[in-house]
Amino acid sequence: QSVLTQPPSASGTPGQRVTISCSGSDSNIGTNYVYWYQHLPGTAPKLLIYRDDQRPSGVPDRFSGSKSGTSASLAISGLRSEDEADYYCAGWDDSLSGFYVFGTGTKVTVL
Amino acid sequence: QVHLVQSGAEVKKPGASVKVSCKASGYTFNTDGINWVRQAPGQGLEWMGFISTKKDTIRYAQKFQGRVTMTKDTSISTAYMELRSLRSDDTAVYYCARDGKGFDYWGQGTLVTVSS
Repeated sequence: QSVLTQPPSASGTPGQRVTISCSGSDSNIGTNYVYWYQHLPGTAPKLLIYRDDQRPSGVPDRFSGSKSGTSASLAISGLRSEDEADYYCAGWDDSLSGFYVFGTGTKVTVL
Repeated sequence: QVHLVQSGAEVKKPGASVKVSCKASGYTFNTDGINWVRQAPGQGLEWMGFISTKKDTIRYAQKFQGRVTMTKDTSISTAYMELRSLRSDDTAVYYCARDGKGFDYWGQGTLVTVSS
């Protein structure tokens, strides 16, 4: 059971803005960076956001990350059909000698 | 260009062991560590552990302690993950991922099926 909680699903029509939340605690989001990954079935996950709000080169600026306290969010603006995928927040947790944890995952559907 | 290429699919019987390899290219192997992540059917991503490629640091998720061993061979830029005492619920796709600014490059995944 993950210590990072996400809504199981989110949806929007093309062009809309969708936001995914990630709720954690002081030992993970409250202390360490948050990362976001996109995972399409049958492919390897892809890093979308690192260090809370940074985009790797090649990731469209439609994707943005933010963090406040022990919660983080991923926003997808100008939703496109190819954005339909599973999205995971992730980061290090300082409890239990430290471990990396993925969120529970959110399935984004483009209606 | 950075590439992580994993070994091929495996079918194992319960109680057996599996060793998955992850060969890196396109960057200096001993600058960034390698993480191992798995996804069981219908489940989310699960971190298994990390091995540093420049120090002796290895960190395993508590769930896999005692059953997993991560190693590396820097001479051939390859990391390995061995999982022992396999059970049916170890059936999953196993990924290696470079520990850059986040898990920035991933292998293609290796399907491990545990079935009698």
